[in-house]
Amino acid sequence: QVQLVQSGAEVKKPGASVKVSCKASGYTFTSYYMHWVRQAPGQGLEWMGIINPSGGSTSYAQKFQGRVTMTRDTSTSTVYMELSSLRSEDTAVYYCARERPIAVALDYWGQGTLVTVSS
Amino acid sequence: QSALTQPASVSGSPGQSITISCTGTSSDVGGYNYVSWYQQHPGKAPKLMIYEVSNRPSGVSNRFSGSKSGNTASLTISGLQAEDEADYYCSSYTSSSFFGTGTKVTVL
Repeated sequence: QVQLVQSGAEVKKPGASVKVSCKASGYTFTSYYMHWVRQAPGQGLEWMGIINPSGGSTSYAQKFQGRVTMTRDTSTSTVYMELSSLRSEDTAVYYCARERPIAVALDYWGQGTLVTVSS
Repeated sequence: QSALTQPASVSGSPGQSITISCTGTSSDVGGYNYVSWYQQHPGKAPKLMIYEVSNRPSGVSNRFSGSKSGNTASLTISGLQAEDEADYYCSSYTSSSFFGTGTKVTVL
């Protein structure tokens, strides 16, 4: 069965960086795009970007351009999302989510990773 | 960035039907059939309920249905049940925000 397992919660200081991992299993890793979505406490879903695990190409939401980097490791079927220059407003649950082909819908989601930015 | 607009809250009694709207533009909702809907219970990851405007993934109850007219997409929940109480988000890939503003569904 398809599973996306994310790394554990993180606490970071303002100005630091965080790298969240998402390990995929149960399907062909390189055949499905992966998205990253975040949700601040009590807020809605916010799309951050997408990575093609096959070639590694990425596309980021304008808001995060210059601060986010998405990468993948095909040998371990893992995608990563690194966010730099953290500020308190980046405190959120970060999700990876697999894209259903053609439909551009997110059919499987990771369990979420809470990132807390606090001095 | 202009988000897809949803009502903040919708409520209904058990057994009733409710409809959640998602208003975009001709560049997103109105121009493509890539509208999807997600259900999110508190503390849980979102769950895909509808894709490509009106298709249900395997395992999703047929009480959930989707449609679109012009620049507005809709999610209808029929035979409302207590377990349907959750937040719902629409999505359109070509929208600059990707997700709608979200709607809290309350079962009275």
